Amino acid sequence: GQQLNQSPQSMFIQEGEDVSMNCTSSSIFNTWLWYKQDPGEGPVLLIALYKAGELTSNGRLTAQFGITRKDSFLNISASIPSDVGIYFCAGQLAYGGSQGNLIFGKGTKLSVKP
Amino acid sequence: DADVTQTPRNRITKTGKRIMLECSQTKGHDRMYWYRQDPGLGLRLIYYSFDVKDINKGEISDGYSVSRQAQAKFSLSLESAIPNQTALYFCATSDFLAPGDTQYFGPGTRLTVL
Repeated sequence: GQQLNQSPQSMFIQEGEDVSMNCTSSSIFNTWLWYKQDPGEGPVLLIALYKAGELTSNGRLTAQFGITRKDSFLNISASIPSDVGIYFCAGQLAYGGSQGNLIFGKGTKLSVKP
Repeated sequence: DADVTQTPRNRITKTGKRIMLECSQTKGHDRMYWYRQDPGLGLRLIYYSFDVKDINKGEISDGYSVSRQAQAKFSLSLESAIPNQTALYFCATSDFLAPGDTQYFGPGTRLTVL
């Protein structure tokens, strides 16, 4: 089936540093979503992107829908301890039917040293 | 109150037992989904339902069944649980009228099969 390649798999950073992660695919997507999952909880939607080239911010988070429609990145500026968790990208290939279902990356595990 | 709730949050059972996981939502969404999460494998789709009369198999439906009792309720059953069904299970919902199948997740059920 279709796959999203999410990188890096994990990262350790110092508090205050900026973080960048991305998802790529060989297929074209209509939607890119970014979620964060805290330990023991369900994924929470951070940012949704619906147009190629779209750049959207949510506080210290910024995400972009790649112009080729095959990739997306998420940046976190000035990281803090509560940014710890697993970040997932998800994409929708096409509208309607099973192809409209989301495909998820395997996650980027973020650990911050206080 | 949470928009998407799951019960139970934790369950330990024995091989061969029948288990039901329940999901309820107050978001008024017509689409509901069941996912399984295993370490390193990300989220995998088990079943999805676009409305009460529409049930579809996902990527890994073998060993599972579902029931959509009402627009707001979607339950997942393991007819005869086996140890490799030990995982985190998430329910999600989305709005047919919203762009890009943006999904909202419940808090999850941690299932252990001994």
